[in-house]
Amino acid sequence: KAGVTQTPRYLIKTRGQQVTLSCSPISGHRSVSWYQQTPGQGLQFLFEYFSETQRNKGNFPGRFSGRQFSNSRSEMNVSTLELGDSALYLCASGDGNNEQFFGPGTRLTVL
Amino acid sequence: GENVEQHPSTLSVQEGDSAVIKCTYSDSASNYFPWYKQELGKGPQLIIDIRSNVGEKKDQRIAVTLNKTAKHFSLHITETQPEDSAVYFCASDDGTSYGKLTFGQGTILTVHP
Repeated sequence: KAGVTQTPRYLIKTRGQQVTLSCSPISGHRSVSWYQQTPGQGLQFLFEYFSETQRNKGNFPGRFSGRQFSNSRSEMNVSTLELGDSALYLCASGDGNNEQFFGPGTRLTVL
Repeated sequence: GENVEQHPSTLSVQEGDSAVIKCTYSDSASNYFPWYKQELGKGPQLIIDIRSNVGEKKDQRIAVTLNKTAKHFSLHITETQPEDSAVYFCASDDGTSYGKLTFGQGTILTVHP
């Protein structure tokens, strides 16, 4: 099976802009979780979608949002970008229980 | 909320030695404990996991132990090789929320040839 794919791999944006990241899970997996990874805060949970419904949400401001499509592909959006949003954004694919398999991530730089 | 503490933050060993990384968690409802390996420029890779109804699990050179009473779990790597050099993360769930993991801060493991 193909692994988790994330696009784009790298992004450079300026403060105030918005960005959309995409994740395609492993075939057959219906759960997609998103995490933010920074040197200071480590890996932090953003939200999780299962069968197009958000099941769980972490402690991030409303500028961070996501959605999932009927083919299980997921997107996350960050509006009004801040310098502190610079991070590696990881998505993880699961079959609905706890096991999660990560993609390579999208490196976002906010200038 | 759930908190996961991981030690040590860095670990340096000689090839062939064993390496042990320890984690403690705070939520007594947690019942799933995975370990991930992250190499430079890549996403975390699930290497082994354990559930609360099991005390130990092995997979070749890697083993994980869980002590639910003490709320700690450990990763053991035997006969280390230079390709084991990476950042290792422990994580736990909260017992009720699927798809949500809380991660430790990571351990940078360096295996010297």
